Amino acid sequence: QKEVEQNSGPLSVPEGAIASLNCTYSDRGSQSFFWYRQYSGKSPELIMFIYSNGDKEDGRFTAQLNKASQYVSLLIRDSQPSDSATYLCAVNWRTGNQFYFGTGTSLTVIP
Amino acid sequence: EAQVTQNPRYLITVTGKKLTVTCSQNMNHEYMSWYRQDPGLGLRQIYYSMNVEVTDKGDVPEGYKVSRKEKRNFPLILESPSPNQTSLYFCASSSWTGIANEKLFFGSGTQLSVL
Repeated sequence: QKEVEQNSGPLSVPEGAIASLNCTYSDRGSQSFFWYRQYSGKSPELIMFIYSNGDKEDGRFTAQLNKASQYVSLLIRDSQPSDSATYLCAVNWRTGNQFYFGTGTSLTVIP
Repeated sequence: EAQVTQNPRYLITVTGKKLTVTCSQNMNHEYMSWYRQDPGLGLRQIYYSMNVEVTDKGDVPEGYKVSRKEKRNFPLILESPSPNQTSLYFCASSSWTGIANEKLFFGSGTQLSVL
């Protein structure tokens, strides 16, 4: 089983809709979770991080963590064409000091 | 400006010719790491370093070397590059709270082609 898994997509949503991105992970104890956005040919940039169960909101973005079910999700409200990118889920296991990334979900927001 | 600086941005070389990709950060971060990104495989960690003179293998270390002689620099060395090392490489750094790593800051990437 891969450490971190994401649906590769592509995921298409109309402008103004909610985009929902999901990520599942292997349970290896204490973890931190991150969502990065990556435009084609560019480096990843952090959107959200979450450490505790529940929801964390930042503007149009909401990260949701459910440790019992071993998934973390990212909701993008009022999606904009500029949100079109690949979204990477990352997990940091503190015991290993390594970051593991999913393969990314490609999102297209249609004007 | 806080940043991770990677050079060069593009590199074309031939099989067997040693090369070094440089990485420098100005945020006094303890943690630095190298990743390669390939289509369908995502970002995979090559090596990481928790501090000066402390390095460890990631998931795909074969064919690569690193060193951490200074806190700000973490070069990636390919002693004898092969075509299967053609990839997009990223250097990244983060601070360490004593409990967990904080977010990763990424360099702008190095597109390497080995002919």
